[in-house]
Amino acid sequence: AQSVTQLDSHVSVSEGTPVLLRCNYSSSYSPSLFWYVQHPNKGLQLLLKYTSAATLVKGINGFEAEFKKSETSFHLTKPSAHMSDAAEYFCVVSDRSGNTGKLIFGQGTTLQVKP
Amino acid sequence: GAGVSQSPRYKVAKRGQDVALRCDPISGHVSLFWYQQALGQGPEFLTYFQNEAQLDKSGLPSDRFFAERPEGSVSTLKIQRTQQEDSAVYLCASSLSQGYLNEQFFGPGTRLTVL
Repeated sequence: AQSVTQLDSHVSVSEGTPVLLRCNYSSSYSPSLFWYVQHPNKGLQLLLKYTSAATLVKGINGFEAEFKKSETSFHLTKPSAHMSDAAEYFCVVSDRSGNTGKLIFGQGTTLQVKP
Repeated sequence: GAGVSQSPRYKVAKRGQDVALRCDPISGHVSLFWYQQALGQGPEFLTYFQNEAQLDKSGLPSDRFFAERPEGSVSTLKIQRTQQEDSAVYLCASSLSQGYLNEQFFGPGTRLTVL
């Protein structure tokens, strides 16, 4: 079985400071991991994905994540937060047991960016 | 190009009413998923279609929930005799083909409120 745990329900940073959103995963398989962002009244948007290639994954809008098998972690980072980054972020693992590709979401982390 | 669209965007139903939620996936996308997102939670898988075939309905919470995709494009999620616990945002996603490596593109969701 696969699952993800987002360690913080709410993160608050000042504009221009680094962002760290933490995620741990559990998987019986080599995992496929994703980060999605959800802005209010908008659809979920893929930020980046890890599918067993490079362990450091670069995504859109300056975000990146590092896959660490020894720590079963897939934390999302950004060097400098922008006001437009305020949103809900989901760490996601793909369920590989049935090969449908259905996604298993974490509970979400709300990112607040203060001016 | 056009993304995934869903209608209606908002639906208010009285307890016991039947509702139908529509999803128009990206043209040519083989895979279609429905997810349910309760307030303050991450989305949870409901059901999966590959073309017109419903291959996984393990996430449907009860036999009041029914989904179809008769021609392999538009899909409808129907909820019979709605209950208050059905209040949630219902998300539709499509992907180009089957499998865990394919990006899912999400629609904006339908917010269902059952009074």
